[in-house]
Amino acid sequence: AQSVTQLGSHVSVSEGALVLLRCNYSSSVPPYLFWYVQYPNQGLQLLLKYTTGATLVKGINGFEAEFKKSETSFHLTKPSAHMSDAAEYFCAVSGGNQGGKLIFGQGTELSVKP
Amino acid sequence: NAGVTQTPKFQVLKTGQSMTLQCAQDMNHEYMSWYRQDPGMGLRLIHYSVGAGITDQGEVPNGYNVSRSTTEDFPLRLLSAAPSQTSVYFCASSTGRNTEAFFGQGTRLTVV
Repeated sequence: AQSVTQLGSHVSVSEGALVLLRCNYSSSVPPYLFWYVQYPNQGLQLLLKYTTGATLVKGINGFEAEFKKSETSFHLTKPSAHMSDAAEYFCAVSGGNQGGKLIFGQGTELSVKP
Repeated sequence: NAGVTQTPKFQVLKTGQSMTLQCAQDMNHEYMSWYRQDPGMGLRLIHYSVGAGITDQGEVPNGYNVSRSTTEDFPLRLLSAAPSQTSVYFCASSTGRNTEAFFGQGTRLTVV
């Protein structure tokens, strides 16, 4: 079975500050990991994904995440927050025989203060 | 490309009514899924399909039916709506196992 835990349902940062959204996963098979962003009243958009290979993954809008197998983590970071980053962020895992199924975390709402 | 299209965008139902949420994709994706989103619970998988004629249950299938007669369409049927089914529903598609999922804009359903 697979599961995802996102630490912190709400994170608030100041504009220009570091963004760190935490994601830990559990998987009995090699995981495929994803971060999605959801802006108000919209669907989910892929930020970045880890499949195999390089453990530091770069995504859109200046976000990146590092896959750490020993820590079962896939934390999302951005060096400098922008007001437009305010949204809800979801970490998800798939793998093995899960097919097209994604297992999502609970989500983290990011607020950016001016 | 339209991507994944969901209709309607908003719907209000009375308890006991039935309805079908429509989902269509024009990317020739084999995999399609339905999720529901509730506050603090992320997205939970309702049903999914790995190809036309093949469907399976996800985490929260009770009260919902699906069928997949074509590659493009994956409708979700609510048999007898209940207030607990008030939620935002998302349809997604992907090319295959463990690949990126593309999401529709969602259907906001309220059952009164």
